[in-house]
Amino acid sequence: GESVGLHLPTLSVQEGDNSIINCAYSNSASDYFIWYKQESGKGPQFIIDIRSNMDKRQGQRVTVLLNKTVKHLSLQIAATQPGDSAVYFCAENGAAGNKLTFGGGTRVLVKP
Amino acid sequence: NAGVTQTPKFQVLKTGQSMTLQCAQDMNHEYMSWYRQDPGMGLRLIHYSVGAGITDQGEVPNGYNVSRSTTEDFPLRLLSAAPSQTSVYFCASSYLTGHRETQYFGPGTRLLVL
Repeated sequence: GESVGLHLPTLSVQEGDNSIINCAYSNSASDYFIWYKQESGKGPQFIIDIRSNMDKRQGQRVTVLLNKTVKHLSLQIAATQPGDSAVYFCAENGAAGNKLTFGGGTRVLVKP
Repeated sequence: NAGVTQTPKFQVLKTGQSMTLQCAQDMNHEYMSWYRQDPGMGLRLIHYSVGAGITDQGEVPNGYNVSRSTTEDFPLRLLSAAPSQTSVYFCASSYLTGHRETQYFGPGTRLLVL
């Protein structure tokens, strides 16, 4: 079936460096993608989203890139801070209703 | 504005027991959904609702029932708990428009079935 997946299960990054989290999706009809951050013991928290008619979208210290040709999504975090330590999920909002399909998650560990 | 709230935060059940996980939102969102999250994995959709009186199955609906009598509430019922239902359960809600809308998640309910 259709799926959204992540390449790296764990990413260690030095405080102040930039982080890049990657995600591959398989449904070519996907038209909306979301990145969520999940801290330990909490629910997923919306970070940024992007629609399929865009290639790039920027937020505060975060940028999402979408490459529809290779069905790849990435989240870039600039100047990573200790508070960025969490598990990051990409999710696809498919064509049927408002249902989300989640990838497996990448844990980001920020080293001081 | 409390957002999405879930109760209880933690629950321990014995195999065969039943219980209801509560979810409420005060944002007047039409769409509500339930997900489960198993260790080291992403979230999987159990059931969802596009409005009061309307529910449908997600990816992993077996063993769970839902109802949507009001816009605000979307309870999830386990009729006969099994150890395989040990998980963290998240409720989410969003507006329903002609476009995809961001879903907002509650804090989760941790369930242990012995």
